[in-house]
Amino acid sequence: KAGVTQTPRYLIKTRGQQVTLSCSPISGHRSVSWYQQTPGQGLQFLFEYFSETQRNKGNFPGRFSGRQFSNSRSEMNVSTLELGDSALYLCASSGDSNSPLHFGNGTRLTVT
Amino acid sequence: GQSLEQPSEVTAVEGAIVQINCTYQTSGFYGLSWYQQHDGGAPTFLSYNALDGLEETGRFSSFLSRSDSYGYLLLQELQMKDSASYFCAARLDNAGNMLTFGGGTRLMVKP
Repeated sequence: KAGVTQTPRYLIKTRGQQVTLSCSPISGHRSVSWYQQTPGQGLQFLFEYFSETQRNKGNFPGRFSGRQFSNSRSEMNVSTLELGDSALYLCASSGDSNSPLHFGNGTRLTVT
Repeated sequence: GQSLEQPSEVTAVEGAIVQINCTYQTSGFYGLSWYQQHDGGAPTFLSYNALDGLEETGRFSSFLSRSDSYGYLLLQELQMKDSASYFCAARLDNAGNMLTFGGGTRLMVKP
């Protein structure tokens, strides 16, 4: 089975712009979660989608949003980018609530 | 709030045994997971404890005590390739995959 695929691997954006990141889960996995990883704050939960519905949401501002499509692929969007949004954004898929998370290699976003 | 505390760094020699502790303060706790992340790589799942006790998977074991809000990851017969960051993560809800991660422990294995 192919693993979790995230595109693009690297992004450089300017403050005020918006960005869309994409994630393709492992085939058959219906849960997709997004995490932000920074040296200062570590791994922080953004949100989780299951069968096209947001099931959980972390403590991030409304500038961070996401969606999931009928084929379980997911996108997250960050609007009005700030310098502090520079981070590694990780997507993880899972078969169900008791299964391990399978992470993609992430998208490294740099905001200048 | 939710918090998981683990040591920031641990150093050990090849062939040794190392234990990485994790204490947590969370509401709605349903289990403790451990993930390994090499520099530049993705976190990969190592172990999960939903109930008190020891789970063993090859050279890695994980332990959970709910009454003490404490868990640990035990790595035996350390190899150079075990040099990585290790994260404990608490599952906070029964119906989803929302995890709260500890800050990570950087393990350095020396020859």
